[in-house]
Amino acid sequence: EDKVVQSPLSLVVHEGDTVTLNCSYEVTNFRSLLWYKQEKKAPTFLFMLTSSGIEKKSGRLSSILDKKELFSILNITATQTGDSAIYLCAGIYSGTYKYIFGTGTRLKVLA
Amino acid sequence: GAVVSQHPSRVICKSGTSVKIECRSLDFQATTMFWYRQFPKQSLMLMATSNEGSKATYEQGVEKDKFLINHASLTLSTLTVTSAHPEDSSFYICSARARPAGYTFGSGTRLTVV
Repeated sequence: EDKVVQSPLSLVVHEGDTVTLNCSYEVTNFRSLLWYKQEKKAPTFLFMLTSSGIEKKSGRLSSILDKKELFSILNITATQTGDSAIYLCAGIYSGTYKYIFGTGTRLKVLA
Repeated sequence: GAVVSQHPSRVICKSGTSVKIECRSLDFQATTMFWYRQFPKQSLMLMATSNEGSKATYEQGVEKDKFLINHASLTLSTLTVTSAHPEDSSFYICSARARPAGYTFGSGTRLTVV
């Protein structure tokens, strides 16, 4: 059965810390992996990763995909209280473009 | 960028009534939309895939007669929760594939059935 597993489930850090969020996947006909940040409502898009080993960066956030080991990480450096959210990763199926979401990591950044 | 407009953002209805949720792609054509539900502190669960001009594909365990999906045009998909019950209370959200932006979500609908 296909699945996407995230770890840790929750994390509490202090401002300025660096965090690494993990996402492992088993997705038949895998196409891409996406990372989202969800605060109160709809998830907001962070990254789409299709190729292995190529780091994508956006400000303090970066992410990379390892298609051999079937996992991805999301790094956040110099965390801020505004980074507090649930971070979701999702695998996309090739062809149908359906997503399968992970359980999410709930991050709380303390001032 | 690609925008999906979802309405209503919040709805409270009585048990036994039906509720319609709309998702519109504002600046692109969405041949496929996905409908999810999310319970508190849980991840998004795919309910169904909505294809323009054809029947929706439902995930296992999702009652197609209860969650009616219509995708009559390239810019509009609707989800109707029929004969709603309190256990249907949840956060419902749609998503569409939009080139080149990737995938974009609607703003979500929080349904409360009393």
